Amino acid sequence: SQTIHQWPATLVQPVGSPLSLECTVEGTSNPNLYWYRQAAGRGLQLLFYSVGIGQISSEVPQNLSASRPQDRQFILSSKKLLLSDSGFYLCAWSPRATEAFFGQGTRLTVV
Amino acid sequence: QKEVEQNSGPLSVPEGAIASLNCTYSDRGSQSFFWYRQYSGKSPELIMFIYSNGDKEDGRFTAQLNKASQYVSLLIRDSQPSDSATYLCAVTPGALWGGYQKVTFGIGTKLQVIP
Repeated sequence: SQTIHQWPATLVQPVGSPLSLECTVEGTSNPNLYWYRQAAGRGLQLLFYSVGIGQISSEVPQNLSASRPQDRQFILSSKKLLLSDSGFYLCAWSPRATEAFFGQGTRLTVV
Repeated sequence: QKEVEQNSGPLSVPEGAIASLNCTYSDRGSQSFFWYRQYSGKSPELIMFIYSNGDKEDGRFTAQLNKASQYVSLLIRDSQPSDSATYLCAVTPGALWGGYQKVTFGIGTKLQVIP
């Protein structure tokens, strides 16, 4: 069966510090991968999606970036965090039809 | 204008009652509709998806779609305290949730089932 792992679960980072969140998927090959952010009182916002290694599409201009160095690995990064980057970050994968499946999420607080 | 609208709630229902959650969308070309349940501090999990007009039932859950009126709803029968969560509506323009589709989520409706 397919599983998705995302870590860390919680993170507190100072403003201006770098960020690296990692997501891996097991039990499938060539999945579509997504990074979402959920801020308080707002819906899930798609940040990046990837249909293959090295293929990244950005949905929202910001100080975040994403990379897909391996087929089942998706990384979200920032060189300098802003206060507004705080939120609940979710990695998701989907087969090429129907629904998407979410990782456990990372609660990021920028202080 | 919001593309997918949900009342943020909270919606309070007594245990055993029917909970009715509603979602409206602005893109008339939307074809696929999903309901996710999200417990506090946890990630969303899929409950149901629906493509065609009408009702789709799965256990205590029924999804209803009316494309002419551009709304989709989720009914939860015999509501239980364990159903207390935020329910997210998601809409896509196509039949497949792939890398080329734009998925839009609503802000979610918080449901509270009172014992």
